[in-house]
Amino acid sequence: GAGVSQTPSNKVTEKGKYVELRCDPISGHTALYWYRQSLGQGPEFLIYFQGTGAADDSGLPNDRFFAVRPEGSVSTLKIQRTERGDSAVYLCASSLYHYEQYFGPGTRLTVT
Amino acid sequence: RKEVEQDPGPFNVPEGATVAFNCTYSNSASQSFFWYRQDCRKEPKLLMSVYSSGNEDGRFTAQLNRASQYISLLIRDSKLSDSATYLCVVNGAGQGGKLIFGQGTELSVKP
Repeated sequence: GAGVSQTPSNKVTEKGKYVELRCDPISGHTALYWYRQSLGQGPEFLIYFQGTGAADDSGLPNDRFFAVRPEGSVSTLKIQRTERGDSAVYLCASSLYHYEQYFGPGTRLTVT
Repeated sequence: RKEVEQDPGPFNVPEGATVAFNCTYSNSASQSFFWYRQDCRKEPKLLMSVYSSGNEDGRFTAQLNRASQYISLLIRDSKLSDSATYLCVVNGAGQGGKLIFGQGTELSVKP
């Protein structure tokens, strides 16, 4: 079956611009997670959705970052006023059971 | 101090060698432990869960020492295809399935 998909695969934007990153989880998976991975580091947790609600957003670095999942399936991570330090690979994962998380291929964000 | 610490390597080993990776975690309340594998420029994939009694999956053996807050992964008879980064992972505090990843240990298996 289809895995987790993320679009775009690559995004280059200028400092100060707004970006949206999309995640399409595995069908039927109720839990969805966003992580961010910088070069040479492991993924870092950003936010977790159970259904439509954000159950844990403790990893969002500041209020420029926001995520939604309005119908309990597709999720969008939104970053306002991007900064060069936001450059990273943004990974989405979904799961039926909490810890068996399946990751998408990621969106590589570059802020110039 | 990072919540999950690993030696970043790289570990360069010949085919057929046995190699061991270690990891320590700081939150004594952690309940779930995993090893993930990540190939270059790819997403992480679950390699195996780690249980208190230890567990084995083919050439891979994982061990957990709760008293020392220490997790290990042993790979026997290394293959070229084992070359990847191995991520030590524990569950985060609070509700839900938040995962805390270590920095990863890079393994390169040479012919």
